[in-house]
Amino acid sequence: ETGVTQSPTHLIKTRGQQVTLRCSSQSGHNTVSWYQQALGQGPQFIFQYYREEENGRGNFPPRFSGLQFPNYSSELNVNALELDDSALYLCASNLGQGNSPLHFGNGTRLTVT
Amino acid sequence: AQSVSQHNHHVILSEAASLELGCNYSYGGTVNLFWYVQYPGQHLQLLLKYFSGDPLVKGIKGFEAEFIKSKFSFNLRKPSVQWSDTAEYFCAVLTSGTYKYIFGTGTRLKVLA
Repeated sequence: ETGVTQSPTHLIKTRGQQVTLRCSSQSGHNTVSWYQQALGQGPQFIFQYYREEENGRGNFPPRFSGLQFPNYSSELNVNALELDDSALYLCASNLGQGNSPLHFGNGTRLTVT
Repeated sequence: AQSVSQHNHHVILSEAASLELGCNYSYGGTVNLFWYVQYPGQHLQLLLKYFSGDPLVKGIKGFEAEFIKSKFSFNLRKPSVQWSDTAEYFCAVLTSGTYKYIFGTGTRLKVLA
């Protein structure tokens, strides 16, 4: 089975810019969630998509937005980047909306200067 | 707000030593509990999970965890660690009726050969 893949692996952006991160879910999975992991912290839930609809959101401002496509791949968009947005962004997929365990990608390391 | 606490941030052990990593959560309702592990250079992966039933759960590589409801704890244990157990370990909670995994800050384990 194909695991979760994320692109790009590293990205450097300037404050105020916009960024799009991409994720392909594991084959057979229809749910994708995104997490932000700052240095020395655990992953923080951003939002989750199930069948192309956002069905859960953490404490992140509206400038964090996302999409899920019919093939269950997903994008995370962040507008008006701030220095504090520098972090590892993790994508995870699982099956359904319940408690099936998450399968993570390797993440995208975003640096905002 | 719900939270997960991992009290040990860094642990150094010699091979064959016993391991116990603490995890406490704050939520009074039904929870699903997880331990994830991140080996150097790899993505987060599931170590073990507890949904219901026997509070002592066994995972991969000889790890086990015990759910103690009265203490809101889900500590991870291994009787004898190996050098290959060097990794970062994250405890996570999924509260009933939500899709939001809450992660602890992680514990970095280093096992000396």
